[in-house]
Amino acid sequence: DTAVSQTPKYLVTQMGNDKSIKCEQNLGHDTMYWYKQDSKKFLKIMFSYNNKELIINETVPNRFSPKSPDKAHLNLHINSLELGDSAVYFCASSQDGWSETIKNIQYFGAGTRLSVL
Amino acid sequence: AQKITQTQPGMFVQEKEAVTLDCTYDTSDPSYGLFWYKQPSSGEMIFLIYQGSYDQQNATEGRYSLNFQKARKSANLVISASQLGDSAMYFCAMRDTGGFKTIFGAGTRLFVKA
Repeated sequence: DTAVSQTPKYLVTQMGNDKSIKCEQNLGHDTMYWYKQDSKKFLKIMFSYNNKELIINETVPNRFSPKSPDKAHLNLHINSLELGDSAVYFCASSQDGWSETIKNIQYFGAGTRLSVL
Repeated sequence: AQKITQTQPGMFVQEKEAVTLDCTYDTSDPSYGLFWYKQPSSGEMIFLIYQGSYDQQNATEGRYSLNFQKARKSANLVISASQLGDSAMYFCAMRDTGGFKTIFGAGTRLFVKA
C-alpha cells in the first residue's frame, strides 16, 4: 500500500480553470504538507496542517486553498489557474512536528505535475 | 533565519567509488534536525537519512552516512560504493523546533558513470 498517495499524477488544464489535487496518507501521521517544486527543482512549502488545523500558510496566492477534512487527507484546490502555477506539487506527511526526534521525517507522495496551457 | 546551502549543482562519480555531497546550514536554534532526500528522474522524493543536532554520532543508513560537523554547520552526505541507480537529485533539508517548517536546499544532481 502506498503510504502517501496523490491524485492525479498529471494534470493538464487551460488558464482560468479551477482544479483540485487530492492527498491521502495511511501512516497515521498528525501533520500534512503541500510543497511546490518549480522547473529549477526548488522545493518550497506552501501549507501545513496539524490535526486538521492550518499551521503554516506561506506567501501563496489566495487562489490556492487547502482543505483537510480529516487527519488523513489534505486536498489542494486552485482557482483561476495561471501559467505560473505550472509545477510539480508534492503532498507530504510527518508523525509529529514538535519533536526533534526521528518522527519529523516527512514522507512524500509521488507528486502531481500540473501544466497550465 | 534558517538557510540551507548546497553549492554543488552537479557532481560526477565513477561507479563503485564514494562521493560526498555538501550541505551547509544556518540556524540560531540549538535544536534542529537535518535530512537528506533523493529524487530520481521518476520524480518521487525518497527520505535517506536523518541527523539530530544533539546526536553524538553521525547517522548511517546502509551506504549512506551523514558527516555532521556542528561547529562548521555542515551536514554532508556520503554515498559509498556508488551505483548507477544513485544517479538522481539530492536535497539537504533542515527543520528547527520553532515550528513545522522544513526548508530545502537547491539540490545537487549526481551522475554515476559506468
